[in-house]
Amino acid sequence: GENVEQHPSTLSVQEGDSAVIKCTYSDSASNYFPWYKQELGKRPQLIIDIRSNVGEKKDQRIAVTLNKTAKHFSLHITETQPEDSAVYFCAALFSGSARQLTFGSGTQLTVLP
Amino acid sequence: SQTIHQWPATLVQPVGSPLSLECTVEGTSNPNLYWYRQAAGRGLQLLFYSVGIGQISSEVPQNLSASRPQDRQFILSSKKLLLSDSGFYLCAWQNTGGNEQFFGPGTRLTVL
Repeated sequence: GENVEQHPSTLSVQEGDSAVIKCTYSDSASNYFPWYKQELGKRPQLIIDIRSNVGEKKDQRIAVTLNKTAKHFSLHITETQPEDSAVYFCAALFSGSARQLTFGSGTQLTVLP
Repeated sequence: SQTIHQWPATLVQPVGSPLSLECTVEGTSNPNLYWYRQAAGRGLQLLFYSVGIGQISSEVPQNLSASRPQDRQFILSSKKLLLSDSGFYLCAWQNTGGNEQFFGPGTRLTVL
């Protein structure tokens, strides 16, 4: 079945450093890859996404890269700030009915002041 | 613009009691709707999805059920709750043919 692997499960960085979270997916037909940020006790919020026809997308301090050949995609956060501390989930949209997303298991990012 | 509501926000129920959680979406028509459950400190588990009124697909067999009585209303139910049903229940919507999914504020359920 469809699968998304996410690493690392926890990540601690110093404020101002960069953070990278990586995901791999199993279905080569996947064409949409979103990233969600979930603060403690809150709903997941879509922060950035990428479609299979581009290799990189940036939005201020966050960027996502996609390597379709290797079936992996990554989230890059530069100049991290304490408010970036949260759980981050990657996901992939697999071909099939209802356009379902399959989520990775999440990464707890802690930005140390 | 589109908004999604869930209620109640929190719920404490005894084992064996019934459950009804409601999700409504405003500002869109014929959305795809989803129910997810998130156990404490864990990932997102897809429970049910719906592409239209009365159309429900189940991803995980369990003592929960879902219904979609109206285009923008999605209900999650149980006849008898188990301790393992505790968690954060999230409803999400997606435009028909679209990719992005947006989550509601969630219902935190504690079964005692």
